[in-house]
Amino acid sequence: AQKITQTQPGMFVQEKEAVTLDCTYDTSDPSYGLFWYKQPSSGEMIFLIYQGSYDQQNATEGRYSLNFQKARKSANLVISASQLGDSAMYFCAMREQDMRFGAGTRLTVKP
Amino acid sequence: ETGVTQTPRHLVMGMTNKKSLKCEQHLGHNAMYWYKQSAKKPLELMFVYNFKEQTENNSVPSRFSPECPNSSHLFLHLHTLQPEDSALYLCASSQVRGTEAFFGQGTRLTVV
Repeated sequence: AQKITQTQPGMFVQEKEAVTLDCTYDTSDPSYGLFWYKQPSSGEMIFLIYQGSYDQQNATEGRYSLNFQKARKSANLVISASQLGDSAMYFCAMREQDMRFGAGTRLTVKP
Repeated sequence: ETGVTQTPRHLVMGMTNKKSLKCEQHLGHNAMYWYKQSAKKPLELMFVYNFKEQTENNSVPSRFSPECPNSSHLFLHLHTLQPEDSALYLCASSQVRGTEAFFGQGTRLTVV
């Protein structure tokens, strides 16, 4: 069974600083995908970044990077140079057959 | 029109009403999903359709009835709901066993 754990219910970061949001997962399937989504207060889920289980390099998308440590089964999201607009809920997700989500982390960026 | 579109955006219904949520995707995807997002709970996968065939039903009560008439449209028919069914209902689409799923903006449902 899939399990995705986000241990940080809430995080604060100062504007322009970097922040790491934690995610660990549990699976016995060698083939899987890891995802991060952002959910602003408006409700839509915005895809941020993807990491395949066989990818050798950590994924990066602009200010977002995914710190993939396969042996530890962790897929932490790093946001560099935080902006006020980054304040939102962030969800880690894993896909084996279907995509399932962690409980989320609420990030607040302070001016 | 592109992406995943959900209608209505907001819905208030009584426990004896019958209503339907609609989802439409213009991305050429062949898999569609319904998720439920309640306060203080993770997103819950409700139903999965791959190539218009339902492949998963995560023990969802029968008062929720999905319908997928084609690969671009997905409905969630609601009847005799309970107040605890009040939540944000999110539709998503992807390629079957593809990478990311794209989400609609959700329908915020309130059952009174």
